[in-house]
Amino acid sequence: AQKITQTQPGMFVQEKEAVTLDCTYDTSDQSYGLFWYKQPSSGEMIFLIYQGSYDEQNATEGRYSLNFQKARKSANLVISASQLGDSAMYFCAMREGLVSGGGADGLTFGKGTHLIIQP
Amino acid sequence: NAGVMQNPRHLVRRRGQEARLRCSPMKGHSHVYWYRQLPEEGLKFMVYLQKENIIDESGMPKERFSAEFPKEGPSILRIQQVVRGDSAAYFCASSPWTSGNTGELFFGEGSRLTVL
Repeated sequence: AQKITQTQPGMFVQEKEAVTLDCTYDTSDQSYGLFWYKQPSSGEMIFLIYQGSYDEQNATEGRYSLNFQKARKSANLVISASQLGDSAMYFCAMREGLVSGGGADGLTFGKGTHLIIQP
Repeated sequence: NAGVMQNPRHLVRRRGQEARLRCSPMKGHSHVYWYRQLPEEGLKFMVYLQKENIIDESGMPKERFSAEFPKEGPSILRIQQVVRGDSAAYFCASSPWTSGNTGELFFGEGSRLTVL
């Protein structure tokens, strides 16, 4: 079974609209972290936002927010007021297990959503 | 404040040649991860290293691939006798050894290997 599922291979959105990118995850761990990364056409991976499994509030970073629904095991990314520069691949990722003293565990990535913002 | 540095950014090899990809982690980071991204795919974990130690290589193909992170110098991902299926972007990421960190990985810009 896939650990991270992103069901939207691609999305077209009008500029200035809000967009929600879906992500569901599968883990039996109690402690885990969820991440979103952006990969523009230039190829680099840009960290956007992080949500810990014990965080009670949804994470926000500027125009990015994470809609964390623990019971549903979903961690959707919401981009408000989309801009042309938001066009990119977006990857949801998960780190499982306790991080005791360091980044001991790597990340498991979904297959990504290709977001295209139209003027 | 240099980020994760990968070189070369682009590498072209003929089938049967060797490919060496280098990664210098961020200053102060002692954990290095290598990921592979095939076209239209997400990143797939290959190997996790600390200085002079391979911690987890469960994502590494058993043959032709090897990785090291020596006491001095960058981490190296080595692919021997490359085949066309090795064509991909190879990303290196690093992470610090500090308590309470979120486990965020800081990625390099990737090395794109093309096998002719």
